Amino acid sequence: DAGVIQSPRHEVTEMGQEVTLRCKPISGHDYLFWYRQTMMRGLELLIYFNNNVPIDDSGMPEDRFSAKMPNASFSTLKIQPSEPRDSAVYFCASSFNTGGIGYTFGSGTRLTVV
Amino acid sequence: KNQVEQSPQSLIILEGKNCTLQCNYTVSPFSNLRWYKQDTGRGPVSLTIMTFSENTKSNGRYTATLDADTKQSSLHITASQLSDSASYICVVSRGADGLTFGKGTHLIIQP
Repeated sequence: DAGVIQSPRHEVTEMGQEVTLRCKPISGHDYLFWYRQTMMRGLELLIYFNNNVPIDDSGMPEDRFSAKMPNASFSTLKIQPSEPRDSAVYFCASSFNTGGIGYTFGSGTRLTVV
Repeated sequence: KNQVEQSPQSLIILEGKNCTLQCNYTVSPFSNLRWYKQDTGRGPVSLTIMTFSENTKSNGRYTATLDADTKQSSLHITASQLSDSASYICVVSRGADGLTFGKGTHLIIQP
């Protein structure tokens, strides 16, 4: 199994531009999570899906952030328009349940907004 | 409020030495506690998972302890190696209510 696959690994964009981060979860995992990690705040849950349906998006910071999961093997996190304070590492994770059975993180996307 | 506090925030030790990282939590309900290792530029990887009834669990040179009464956990690293340099994150599972993350301890092993 290739694990959770995220792309791109690094993204540098100018303020105001749209950014799309991509994630392919582990096959068979029913849950998919998007996290943001910064030095100040550590790992923060943004949103999670169960069977492709968004369950809890209370961690999404603003309306500029949106996430979709059109099928069981693909999810996107979009930021439009991007701002410098969005600079962080964004992780995708998948598991069999919310309690963390088989919880596996991707390698992350390092986003820099200049 | 559900919280996971880790200490120290950062730690530098010499290769071959032992060290202990601490995790205190105020999380309810409690399902299990995990320690993750996060190498620079990578995602967190699970080291150990401990349920309420487990006091100690080892994974090679890593030994985690859990005191559910005092809501404390520790991660002991024996005979440290350069490859142990990483951030170590304590995570408490609230079962179906999700995970609560600590901010991590940044460990540097010096040769």
